[in-house]
Amino acid sequence: QSALTQPASVSGSPGQSITISCTGTSSDVGGYNYVSWYQQHPGKAPKLMIYEVSNRPSGVSNRFSGSKSGNTASLTISGLQAEDEADYYCSSHASSSTTVFGGGTKLTVL
Amino acid sequence: QVQLQESGPGLVKPSGTLSLTCAVSGGSVSISNWWSWVRQPPGKGLEWIGEIYYSGHTNYNPSLKSRVTISVDKSKNQFSLRLSSVTAADTAVYYCAREATADAFDFWGQGTMVTVSS
Repeated sequence: QSALTQPASVSGSPGQSITISCTGTSSDVGGYNYVSWYQQHPGKAPKLMIYEVSNRPSGVSNRFSGSKSGNTASLTISGLQAEDEADYYCSSHASSSTTVFGGGTKLTVL
Repeated sequence: QVQLQESGPGLVKPSGTLSLTCAVSGGSVSISNWWSWVRQPPGKGLEWIGEIYYSGHTNYNPSLKSRVTISVDKSKNQFSLRLSSVTAADTAVYYCAREATADAFDFWGQGTMVTVSS
């Protein structure tokens, strides 16, 4: 069970849009529509932002959206705000009823 | 609002056993949810450890399976983690979390730092 692949860092200016990719295999991302995304600020617990590829929990801004194509899932944040600066992690259901996380992406708002 | 709170020793000796408990309030471990443990080594990413269903059924990370036991205590509304034969590589912040649906963790504990050192 290998970690999903995410870029180590991405950046963008306020108001811009950014996309974070999450690449797995047919045994995880590509095989199930059970991809989630989490936001984690320093010293805090992760917060669920997207579940089942593209669904937003109640209270999460509609500036956050998710999608998937083949073995790669993506998180897009539009209208970047300073408060979006954080680490972002994807996760996916995987074979043998397990869960695998991505390595994490540090988002910097310039 | 579901709340989770981890508790347990912050320091464990090498080759010893790490034991943590997650107390659940505002919800019940006796209903149809999976309850998980996730860890995060200092400065590194998240790692899923394993999960337990209210019925007691468990799933574990294959890389940790030989050392991990997760159990549930319905009478105390809590679930627990035991990780044996620990090394410095097991030093991490350990989180407990509720799985809302399809491997999505919607409620998390604040996390507890566990250091493995003599």
